[in-house]
Amino acid sequence: DSGVTQTPKHLITATGQRVTLRCSPRSGDLSVYWYQQSLDQGLQFLIQYYNGEERAKGNILERFSAQQFPDLHSELNLSSLELGDSALYFCASSVGWGNEKLFFGSGTQLSVL
Amino acid sequence: GNSVTQMEGPVTLSEEAFLTINCTYTATGYPSLFWYVQYPGEGLQLLLKATKADDKGSNKGFEATYRKETTSFHLEKGSVQVSDSAVYFCALNSGNTPLVFGKGTRLSVIA
Repeated sequence: DSGVTQTPKHLITATGQRVTLRCSPRSGDLSVYWYQQSLDQGLQFLIQYYNGEERAKGNILERFSAQQFPDLHSELNLSSLELGDSALYFCASSVGWGNEKLFFGSGTQLSVL
Repeated sequence: GNSVTQMEGPVTLSEEAFLTINCTYTATGYPSLFWYVQYPGEGLQLLLKATKADDKGSNKGFEATYRKETTSFHLEKGSVQVSDSAVYFCALNSGNTPLVFGKGTRLSVIA
Protein backbone atom coordinates (compact mmCIF):
# COMPACT_ATOMS: atom_id res chain seq x y z
CA ASP A 1 0.00 0.00 0.00
CA SER A 2 1.54 3.27 -1.19
CA GLY A 3 -0.54 5.45 1.14
CA VAL A 4 -2.05 7.35 -1.82
CA THR A 5 -5.80 6.93 -2.09
CA GLN A 6 -7.74 7.45 -5.29
CA THR A 7 -11.50 7.37 -5.69
CA PRO A 8 -13.43 6.06 -7.44
CA LYS A 9 -11.61 3.00 -8.74
CA HIS A 10 -13.85 2.73 -11.77
CA LEU A 11 -15.99 5.28 -13.54
CA ILE A 12 -18.26 4.71 -16.52
CA THR A 13 -19.87 7.69 -18.16
CA ALA A 14 -21.11 9.00 -21.49
CA THR A 15 -19.62 11.42 -23.99
CA GLY A 16 -20.20 15.05 -23.14
CA GLN A 17 -20.38 14.42 -19.40
CA ARG A 18 -18.21 15.80 -16.60
CA VAL A 19 -16.48 13.77 -13.89
CA THR A 20 -14.30 14.45 -10.87
CA LEU A 21 -11.48 12.20 -9.76
CA ARG A 22 -10.20 12.49 -6.22
CA CYS A 23 -6.79 11.87 -4.71
CA SER A 24 -5.55 11.90 -1.13
CA PRO A 25 -1.74 11.99 -0.92
CA ARG A 26 0.42 10.17 1.60
CA SER A 27 0.49 11.79 5.00
CA GLY A 28 3.13 14.52 4.96
CA ASP A 29 3.49 14.73 1.19
CA LEU A 30 2.99 18.21 -0.22
CA SER A 31 3.15 17.48 -3.95
CA VAL A 32 0.42 15.83 -5.97
CA TYR A 33 0.85 14.74 -9.60
CA TRP A 34 -1.72 13.55 -12.11
CA TYR A 35 -0.85 11.15 -14.92
CA GLN A 36 -2.91 9.63 -17.70
CA GLN A 37 -2.10 6.10 -18.83
CA SER A 38 -3.37 4.82 -22.15
CA LEU A 39 -2.26 1.93 -24.34
CA ASP A 40 -1.10 4.08 -27.24
CA GLN A 41 0.36 7.08 -25.37
CA GLY A 42 1.84 5.36 -22.36
CA LEU A 43 2.08 7.37 -19.14
CA GLN A 44 1.56 11.08 -19.78
CA PHE A 45 2.15 13.77 -17.17
CA LEU A 46 -0.82 16.11 -16.79
CA ILE A 47 -0.19 18.48 -13.90
CA GLN A 48 1.58 18.92 -10.55
CA TYR A 49 0.54 20.85 -7.46
CA TYR A 50 2.76 21.70 -4.55
CA ASN A 51 1.22 22.86 -1.28
CA GLY A 52 -1.86 24.17 -3.03
CA GLU A 53 -0.13 25.92 -5.92
CA GLU A 54 0.24 24.73 -9.49
CA ARG A 55 3.87 23.72 -9.94
CA ALA A 56 4.14 22.24 -13.42
CA LYS A 57 1.87 21.61 -16.34
CA GLY A 58 2.15 18.91 -18.96
CA ASN A 59 -0.08 17.69 -21.73
CA ILE A 60 -3.32 18.62 -20.03
CA LEU A 61 -6.27 19.48 -22.25
CA GLU A 62 -8.21 22.71 -21.71
CA ARG A 63 -11.27 20.56 -20.93
CA PHE A 64 -9.39 19.22 -17.91
CA SER A 65 -8.63 21.13 -14.73
CA ALA A 66 -7.28 20.31 -11.31
CA GLN A 67 -6.81 21.83 -7.91
CA GLN A 68 -5.23 21.03 -4.57
CA PHE A 69 -7.13 21.95 -1.46
CA PRO A 70 -5.83 23.23 1.91
CA ASP A 71 -5.95 19.70 3.33
CA LEU A 72 -3.69 18.73 0.37
CA HIS A 73 -6.12 16.39 -1.33
CA SER A 74 -6.51 17.01 -5.04
CA GLU A 75 -9.26 16.72 -7.61
CA LEU A 76 -9.00 16.31 -11.35
CA ASN A 77 -12.03 17.53 -13.28
CA LEU A 78 -12.65 16.22 -16.77
CA SER A 79 -15.41 17.86 -18.80
CA SER A 80 -17.02 17.48 -22.23
CA LEU A 81 -15.74 13.95 -22.21
CA GLU A 82 -14.80 12.21 -25.44
CA LEU A 83 -14.27 8.55 -26.22
CA GLY A 84 -10.53 9.18 -26.38
CA ASP A 85 -10.47 10.28 -22.75
CA SER A 86 -10.97 6.69 -21.68
CA ALA A 87 -7.83 5.80 -19.76
CA LEU A 88 -6.36 5.00 -16.38
CA TYR A 89 -5.72 8.15 -14.38
CA PHE A 90 -3.06 7.98 -11.72
CA CYS A 91 -2.36 10.30 -8.88
CA ALA A 92 1.06 10.33 -7.24
CA SER A 93 2.52 12.23 -4.32
CA SER A 94 5.93 13.16 -3.02
CA VAL A 95 7.35 14.97 -0.03
CA GLY A 96 8.85 17.88 -1.93
CA TRP A 97 8.51 19.34 -5.39
CA GLY A 98 11.64 17.76 -6.86
CA ASN A 99 10.18 14.49 -8.16
CA GLU A 100 12.76 12.41 -6.36
CA LYS A 101 10.46 9.57 -5.37
CA LEU A 102 6.84 9.38 -6.32
CA PHE A 103 4.26 7.22 -4.60
CA PHE A 104 1.40 6.21 -6.87
CA GLY A 105 -2.20 5.42 -6.13
CA SER A 106 -3.84 2.45 -7.80
CA GLY A 107 -5.62 4.65 -10.30
CA THR A 108 -9.11 5.47 -11.54
CA GLN A 109 -10.20 3.60 -14.65
CA LEU A 110 -12.37 5.93 -16.72
CA SER A 111 -14.53 4.51 -19.48
CA VAL A 112 -16.35 6.95 -21.74
CA LEU A 113 -19.08 5.26 -23.77
CA GLY B 1 12.93 18.04 -24.61
CA ASN B 2 13.42 15.06 -22.34
CA SER B 3 12.38 11.65 -23.60
CA VAL B 4 12.78 7.98 -22.80
CA THR B 5 12.74 5.07 -25.22
CA GLN B 6 12.46 1.55 -23.95
CA MET B 7 12.18 -1.75 -25.74
CA GLU B 8 8.70 -2.77 -26.67
CA GLY B 9 7.26 -5.85 -25.14
CA PRO B 10 5.85 -8.09 -24.28
CA VAL B 11 8.83 -10.04 -23.02
CA THR B 12 8.17 -13.65 -22.06
CA LEU B 13 10.80 -15.59 -20.14
CA SER B 14 11.03 -18.86 -18.31
CA GLU B 15 11.70 -18.81 -14.59
CA GLU B 16 15.42 -18.36 -13.72
CA ALA B 17 16.20 -16.83 -17.12
CA PHE B 18 18.29 -13.68 -17.47
CA LEU B 19 16.42 -10.44 -18.05
CA THR B 20 17.47 -7.31 -19.90
CA ILE B 21 15.10 -4.46 -20.68
CA ASN B 22 16.75 -1.74 -22.71
CA CYS B 23 16.24 1.95 -21.99
CA THR B 24 17.83 4.95 -23.67
CA TYR B 25 17.19 8.58 -23.00
CA THR B 26 17.49 12.11 -24.33
CA ALA B 27 17.80 14.88 -21.82
CA THR B 28 19.16 18.33 -21.18
CA GLY B 29 21.45 18.80 -18.25
CA TYR B 30 22.23 15.95 -15.89
CA PRO B 31 19.17 13.78 -15.45
CA SER B 32 18.35 11.35 -12.70
CA LEU B 33 17.21 7.96 -14.00
CA PHE B 34 14.62 5.61 -12.55
CA TRP B 35 12.96 2.26 -13.06
CA TYR B 36 9.40 1.91 -11.83
CA VAL B 37 7.39 -1.33 -11.73
CA GLN B 38 3.64 -1.77 -12.02
CA TYR B 39 2.16 -5.04 -10.76
CA PRO B 40 -1.28 -6.06 -12.02
CA GLY B 41 -4.04 -3.86 -10.64
CA GLU B 42 -1.65 -1.56 -8.78
CA GLY B 43 0.03 1.80 -9.20
CA LEU B 44 3.67 2.25 -10.10
CA GLN B 45 6.36 1.69 -7.49
CA LEU B 46 9.92 2.91 -7.56
CA LEU B 47 12.22 -0.05 -8.18
CA LEU B 48 15.61 1.65 -8.34
CA LYS B 49 17.31 4.88 -9.32
CA ALA B 50 20.65 6.43 -10.20
CA THR B 51 21.44 10.11 -9.99
CA LYS B 52 24.78 10.46 -11.74
CA ALA B 53 26.92 8.84 -14.41
CA ASP B 54 28.34 5.38 -13.58
CA ASP B 55 26.02 5.00 -10.58
CA LYS B 56 24.41 1.59 -10.24
CA GLY B 57 20.93 1.34 -8.80
CA SER B 58 19.87 -2.00 -7.37
CA ASN B 59 16.89 -3.51 -5.58
CA LYS B 60 15.27 -6.96 -5.28
CA GLY B 61 17.94 -8.50 -7.52
CA PHE B 62 17.41 -5.92 -10.28
CA GLU B 63 20.27 -3.65 -11.37
CA ALA B 64 20.74 -0.78 -13.78
CA THR B 65 23.85 1.31 -14.48
CA TYR B 66 23.72 4.95 -15.57
CA ARG B 67 25.78 5.09 -18.79
CA LYS B 68 26.24 8.66 -19.92
CA GLU B 69 28.37 7.75 -22.93
CA THR B 70 25.60 5.61 -24.40
CA THR B 71 22.70 7.52 -22.75
CA SER B 72 21.37 4.23 -21.45
CA PHE B 73 19.97 2.74 -18.25
CA HIS B 74 19.25 -0.90 -19.04
CA LEU B 75 17.47 -3.00 -16.42
CA GLU B 76 18.91 -6.45 -15.67
CA LYS B 77 18.17 -9.37 -13.40
CA GLY B 78 20.13 -12.58 -13.31
CA SER B 79 17.31 -14.98 -12.50
CA VAL B 80 13.68 -13.93 -12.88
CA GLN B 81 10.79 -15.36 -10.90
CA VAL B 82 7.10 -15.67 -11.71
CA SER B 83 6.47 -12.91 -9.16
CA ASP B 84 8.51 -10.50 -11.32
CA SER B 85 5.75 -10.50 -13.94
CA ALA B 86 4.76 -6.85 -14.26
CA VAL B 87 5.13 -3.78 -16.45
CA TYR B 88 8.47 -1.97 -16.11
CA PHE B 89 8.87 1.74 -16.83
CA CYS B 90 12.07 3.63 -17.36
CA ALA B 91 11.88 7.30 -16.38
CA LEU B 92 13.98 10.42 -15.99
CA ASN B 93 13.87 13.90 -14.64
CA SER B 94 16.24 16.76 -15.16
CA GLY B 95 16.44 19.56 -12.65
CA ASN B 96 13.00 19.72 -11.13
CA THR B 97 11.03 18.85 -14.24
CA PRO B 98 8.26 16.28 -13.86
CA LEU B 99 9.17 12.65 -14.40
CA VAL B 100 9.06 11.57 -18.03
CA PHE B 101 8.24 7.90 -18.52
CA GLY B 102 8.87 5.44 -21.29
CA LYS B 103 5.89 3.51 -22.64
CA GLY B 104 6.54 0.50 -20.44
CA THR B 105 7.63 -3.07 -21.11
CA ARG B 106 5.40 -5.94 -20.06
CA LEU B 107 7.28 -8.91 -18.63
CA SER B 108 5.68 -12.31 -18.26
CA VAL B 109 7.60 -15.04 -16.48
CA ILE B 110 6.36 -18.59 -16.86
CA ALA B 111 7.13 -21.47 -14.53
